[in-house]
Amino acid sequence: DIQMTQSPSSLSASVGDRVTITCRASQSIRNYLNWYHQKPGKAPKLLIYAASTLQSGVPSRFSGSGSGTDFTLTISSLQPEDIATYYCQQSYSTPYTFGQGTKLQIK
Amino acid sequence: EVQLVESGGGLVQPGGSLRLSCAASGFTFSNYWMHWVRQAPGKGLVWVSRINGGGSSTTYADSVKGRFTISRDNARNTLYLQMNSLRAEDTAVYYCAADPDYRGYSYVDYWGQGTLVSVSS
Repeated sequence: DIQMTQSPSSLSASVGDRVTITCRASQSIRNYLNWYHQKPGKAPKLLIYAASTLQSGVPSRFSGSGSGTDFTLTISSLQPEDIATYYCQQSYSTPYTFGQGTKLQIK
Repeated sequence: EVQLVESGGGLVQPGGSLRLSCAASGFTFSNYWMHWVRQAPGKGLVWVSRINGGGSSTTYADSVKGRFTISRDNARNTLYLQMNSLRAEDTAVYYCAADPDYRGYSYVDYWGQGTLVSVSS
């Protein structure tokens, strides 16, 4: 199975800050990488697929980059509504493993 | 409006069975791969199983292989997960999830609200 490792596990930032979350795969997954966020008590929501394609309706402050084994999710200017846990997921091969999550909080 | 509504969760004893259902509406169900993803209390997301649009291809996580069966009824726009030989570690919220498999990329763009399965004596 492909292991997905996110860093950091938790992050505290101020409104307006640029925030970066990284995700590393245990082997190359080309660009088969998705990003979701999940607010407490809610279902996850898709932000980015194919490593860098912004899902329709997602604010442009979210962006994704990377290929192979190393990927990045960036929020260009953190907003209060971005408080959530962020997950990466590889869809290169089953089982479609998720990272362990990054909990983002407001400082 | 797209809706995925799960049902069938509840409390079951170890070794017991449950059948989850997910009723889909607002999109062309048969065009989508469907997944089950679970989340144990306070933990992260774990992929469980997937099925293709026609129902002919299924895949499972090793942790549930041989115990769980995913299926779908496209005439009823409904996805199922038959869960047998349940264990305490299967306790989780189970999400039904829809995947357009766009240009070969698998991702979930529609999620249900989740249904809680608790396995305990």
